[in-house]
Amino acid sequence: DIQMTQSPSSLSASIGDRVIITCQASQDIGKYLNWYQHKPGKVPNLLIYDASNLQTGVPSRFSGSGSGTHFTFTINSLQAEDIGTYYCQRYGTFGPGTTVEIK
Amino acid sequence: EVQLVESGGGLVQPGGSLRLSCAASGFTFSNFWMSWVRQAPGKGLEWVANIKYDGSEEYYGDAVKGRFTISRDNAQNSLHLQMNSLRAEDTAVYYCARERPASACAFDSWGQGTLVTVSS
Repeated sequence: DIQMTQSPSSLSASIGDRVIITCQASQDIGKYLNWYQHKPGKVPNLLIYDASNLQTGVPSRFSGSGSGTHFTFTINSLQAEDIGTYYCQRYGTFGPGTTVEIK
Repeated sequence: EVQLVESGGGLVQPGGSLRLSCAASGFTFSNFWMSWVRQAPGKGLEWVANIKYDGSEEYYGDAVKGRFTISRDNAQNSLHLQMNSLRAEDTAVYYCARERPASACAFDSWGQGTLVTVSS
């Protein structure tokens, strides 16, 4: 089975900062990697699909890149409403999540 | 507007059974793969099972294989999850999710979730 790891597990950043989260796959998964935001008390929200494609309606400060085994998710200019947990996912496997807080 | 509404959650004893349902509207249900995803208290997201748009293929996570069965009724625009031999570790919020076409299992719409509690 393919394993997904994320780093960091949590981070604290200031409003306006650039936030970078990485996701590593245990074997080559091509571009098949998705990113979600899950806010407390809310439903998970697809942000990026197929590594780098922005889902319709998602703000452009969110972006994704990578292929193979190493992927990056970026929030350019962190906003207060961006707090929550971010997950990478490939088919039936989610990463463990990265919790983003405001400093 | 895409809507997914889960029902059927509740409290059940270990070893018991429960059937979850998801009512879909606002899109052509029979064109989409559908999944169940769960989140245990204080834990991350865990994919449970999915089913092809015509019901001809089903796949399960290792944690539920042999105990859970996913099914769908395209005439009724509904998705189901039959859960048998329930364990305490199955306690979670269960979400019904639509898979984005032509993408690798990207869940582009989610229901609000239904809570399943397995406890004596």
